[in-house]
Amino acid sequence: AQKVTQAQTEISVVEKEDVTLDCVYETRDTTYYLFWYKQPPSGELVFLIRRNSFDEQNEISGRYSWNFQKSTSSFNFTITASQVVDSAVYFCALSLYSGYSTLTFGKGTMLLVSP
Amino acid sequence: DADVTQTPRNRITKTGKRIMLECSQTKGHDRMYWYRQDPGLGLRLIYYSFDVKDINKGEISDGYSVSRQAQAKFSLSLESAIPNQTALYFCATNSGGKDTQYFGPGTRLTVL
Repeated sequence: AQKVTQAQTEISVVEKEDVTLDCVYETRDTTYYLFWYKQPPSGELVFLIRRNSFDEQNEISGRYSWNFQKSTSSFNFTITASQVVDSAVYFCALSLYSGYSTLTFGKGTMLLVSP
Repeated sequence: DADVTQTPRNRITKTGKRIMLECSQTKGHDRMYWYRQDPGLGLRLIYYSFDVKDINKGEISDGYSVSRQAQAKFSLSLESAIPNQTALYFCATNSGGKDTQYFGPGTRLTVL
């Protein structure tokens, strides 16, 4: 069975600080996909990124960056120069390559960015 | 217009009542899912359907049932609601196991 662990329940930072959200996953499969979703206070779930297990290249999108390391089974998410609008709950999730796979979510990390 | 819609968005009901939550999608996806979110527990899968004739139980299906009326519609029913079913419910869709799941706006259900 798959498992996703987000050990940080809640993180508080001051605006403009950099912050990293940790995600550790467990699976016996060698091919899988990893995701990050954002849930702002309004409640909807917003897709941020999908990475497959074949590609360990880090990815940057504006102030967001993702560090995927198979050796440590981690897929960490960094927000550079955080802003109040980044305040949200962030979920990491895993699905297998199999066509019958479903998503396994971590419990989420609440990020609070203060002005 | 939103690709994945859920109705109602908010619902308050009483213990023992039957309630149905509906999900519709215009993305043309075959696969649809129902999750519930409880504070501190993340999202947990209730039921999922890979096509109109396929229904599968998820991690926490007890107390729930579903109906896939069409490719675009997937309903979740609570036959006899109980207070610990108070939660935020999400519908999601995708086109395959490797594909990103896209979520509806959620239904906040309160069972008194």
